[in-house]
Amino acid sequence: DTGVSQDPRHKITKRGQNVTFRCDPISEHNRLYWYRQTLGQGPEFLTYFQNEAQLEKSRLLSDRFSAERPKGSFSTLEIQRTEQGDSAMYLCASSPLDTFAHFGDGTRLSIL
Amino acid sequence: DQQVKQNSPSLSVQEGRISILNCDYTNSMFDYFLWYKKYPAEGPTFLISISSIKDKNEDGRFTVFLNKSAKHLSLHIVPSQPGDSAVYFCAASAQGTYKYIFGTGTRLKVLA
Repeated sequence: DTGVSQDPRHKITKRGQNVTFRCDPISEHNRLYWYRQTLGQGPEFLTYFQNEAQLEKSRLLSDRFSAERPKGSFSTLEIQRTEQGDSAMYLCASSPLDTFAHFGDGTRLSIL
Repeated sequence: DQQVKQNSPSLSVQEGRISILNCDYTNSMFDYFLWYKKYPAEGPTFLISISSIKDKNEDGRFTVFLNKSAKHLSLHIVPSQPGDSAVYFCAASAQGTYKYIFGTGTRLKVLA
């Protein structure tokens, strides 16, 4: 059984650089979510796709963040001009309609 | 504004005894509640959920209780096992939305 896959698992970059993360959801899951988790906090919602349509974006998602889900399959999350405050675990999740979300193991981003 | 609160950052329980994890929420629009378990270096794993039309849901050793009037839910684990040692997150969503609002988590340690 293939779960939600995220790549890379870890990313270290210098402040000001752009980074892109990939998420491969469970096959046939219509819904895909991105969350961010910082130390001592629970995951915070960033954005949500149903198939290829991005239906909701959090206020946390500044203009430097962009997410795509071409063809309703995998998704990418890009952060431009990274800042220290972007250091976090970025979690992707997917679900079929009307049931709980399955989470991947996340991409840990560290900004130097 | 923390809409989902887990006021106990940590809890220690003897193996074989009951673990009770608590969660409070403030948004009366929440109608679906979930518990996720998280081990280090892994993503959250779904444990159990409950709809607001119920006040109890049971799955093996795990039972979730919902008290809508008090805006409170709890997760009972009986009997507790050392493998249950993890961080437990309470999450909630409102009808018509698909995002989860998470609490800050409770770290459970089950002592052998």
